[in-house]
Amino acid sequence: GDSVTQMEGPVTLSEEAFLTINCTYTATGYPSLFWYVQYPGEGLQLLLKATKADDKGSNKGFEATYRKETTSFHLEKGSVQVSDSAVYFCALSDWLSSNDYKLSFGAGTTVTVRA
Amino acid sequence: DSGVTQTPKHLITATGQRVTLRCSPRSGDLSVYWYQQSLDQGLQFLIQYYNGEERAKGNILERFSAQQFPDLHSELNLSSLELGDSALYFCASSVDRVTEQYFGPGTRLTVT
Repeated sequence: GDSVTQMEGPVTLSEEAFLTINCTYTATGYPSLFWYVQYPGEGLQLLLKATKADDKGSNKGFEATYRKETTSFHLEKGSVQVSDSAVYFCALSDWLSSNDYKLSFGAGTTVTVRA
Repeated sequence: DSGVTQTPKHLITATGQRVTLRCSPRSGDLSVYWYQQSLDQGLQFLIQYYNGEERAKGNILERFSAQQFPDLHSELNLSSLELGDSALYFCASSVDRVTEQYFGPGTRLTVT
């Protein structure tokens, strides 16, 4: 089935550093791609999404571009803050039928930002 | 706050017991999904309901069952619990079957 592979962590950065988390996918069709974030002790929050090739999703200073040619959806932020410390999950829409999908997640990348 | 609520937040029970996890979707959302997050398996899709009807099953054990009620809330029933069922169980909802899913805060189940 469709799957996502994301870079292993943990990743530790200093405040104001540049963050990149690599994500690649394998899919038979044309999935939508998502980044979810899980802050300590909380549930998953949708961070951004892209629904077709070359779409760029962005939110809270984070960006990711849907690259069909490299089957990638890397997450980037130019200047991280301590409050960005969390686990980040890359996910894709794995279609179960023409009208139903499940999310298939990567393993998650733990990011710690130090002051 | 996603608008999806889950109760209880924590649940501790013994092996062999049965528990029920509850989820209320965002207002207006018709589709409900259940996921399990464990250290060894990561995030796995369990089951999906849409407007009261089961739509898809994933890696859900036969000991587990779910339903969605007319008011659209959903319950996940876990029976004959084993130590390996200890995990975070998330509910997610979406307006329909194709738009993005919003997650609740999860229920942490500990089986002792």
